Amino acid sequence: DAKTTQPPSMDCAEGRAANLPCNHSTISGNEYVYWYRQIHSQGPQYIIHGLKNNETNEMASLIITEDRKSSTLILPHATLRDTAVYYCIVSRPNFGNEKLTFGTGTRLTIIP
Amino acid sequence: ETGVTQSPTHLIKTRGQQVTLRCSSQSGHNTVSWYQQALGQGPQFIFQYYREEENGRGNFPPRFSGLQFPNYSSELNVNALELDDSALYLCASSPNSGRNSEQYFGPGTRLTVT
Repeated sequence: DAKTTQPPSMDCAEGRAANLPCNHSTISGNEYVYWYRQIHSQGPQYIIHGLKNNETNEMASLIITEDRKSSTLILPHATLRDTAVYYCIVSRPNFGNEKLTFGTGTRLTIIP
Repeated sequence: ETGVTQSPTHLIKTRGQQVTLRCSSQSGHNTVSWYQQALGQGPQFIFQYYREEENGRGNFPPRFSGLQFPNYSSELNVNALELDDSALYLCASSPNSGRNSEQYFGPGTRLTVT
């Protein structure tokens, strides 16, 4: 599976959009981009995934560049509860049997 | 619907001992994966069980072993504990309901080896 690069930390003001970047320059054609987050003392939580089209769900939006070498997770109106470590993962889909390779993620802090 | 549960929550063991951690997958999920998360690091894949068979293993020694039961619950066993085994152990289950089924993680078991 391709590796990803994320900034170690970011701050965002409450109520503003949080934009979390991820580089995955070695992504292959059949690999998807997945985002999970981990709130302190909890297990990781799935957020969203995508292949090449932009995706949106009730939690976030995912923007993938046309060359698929990078992506951005957008939390449209960040709240204090969004403070967490966010992981960008690249993996071939396998019906939930993916062996997820987590990096160190981005620690997002929402500032009141 | 009950989510993924793990027991115990916390555990303290001595170097050289053996430990068993338990995971109950979410109802209807037939895949369970185990991850080890050291302090300040992302989770690292240990192994995965699908319908009671091991379905892939990460870079962990044989003293890490597992089981999956007919009800799809699972155990992680670690023999000859080492200080570096101190970590948060996470299990995740998946329903295999689609090509991109998400994984649902439990809260983890915090293991401390002294």
